[in-house]
Amino acid sequence: EVHLVESGGGLVQPGGSLRLSCAASRFTFSSSWMHWVRQAPGKGLVWVSRITSDGSSTAYADSVKGRFTISRDNAKNTLYLQMSSLRAEDTAVYYCARDATHGDFDYWGQGTLVTVSS
Amino acid sequence: ESVLTQSPGTLSLSPGERATLSCRASQSVSSSYLAWYQQKPGQAPRLLIYGASSRATGIPDRFSGSGSGTDFTLTISRLEPEDFAVYYCQQYGSSPPRYTFGQGTKLEIK
Repeated sequence: EVHLVESGGGLVQPGGSLRLSCAASRFTFSSSWMHWVRQAPGKGLVWVSRITSDGSSTAYADSVKGRFTISRDNAKNTLYLQMSSLRAEDTAVYYCARDATHGDFDYWGQGTLVTVSS
Repeated sequence: ESVLTQSPGTLSLSPGERATLSCRASQSVSSSYLAWYQQKPGQAPRLLIYGASSRATGIPDRFSGSGSGTDFTLTISRLEPEDFAVYYCQQYGSSPPRYTFGQGTKLEIK
């Protein structure tokens, strides 16, 4: 079955940077669009960013545009999220998810917690 | 930008009962791009329904989705103990690309 494993979360100060990774296996990563979705503690799901299968097109939520960059390395089967100028409101569990081609997400990783605090 | 509003916020039912969860969009949504997820505490979400009414792989047939336009429904025909969780609806819009979730409905044991 599809396997997605996020890493790179942790505690970072406001204004700082962090890079998240998502290692993918057991499917053809290079053929799949991929997403990042986040969930603040006790809150709902919020879509963050999407990248097409070849990395040629990206999209971002307005709340992270200009601060976050999604990328991928198809040779390494890995998805990334570079986060900069982090704010307290970016504190959340960040999930990577596979696009199911219907605009929905059929497989999710277990998530990695990012805490932005001084 | 279309907003999804789920109701009720919390639904208290007993195992064996029927659950009906609502998702209303502020603008018409293509049925092809309306999905439902289940999330249990400490776990990632799980896709239940896509295209408003198609069950995802491995989802029991007690889960069904329906609706069109701005009103969508997730129905669980006969609740099992493992069904008590939070449920989210989600839509996709292409111009510009937007993936929007409802705020969730918590299904709790009565």
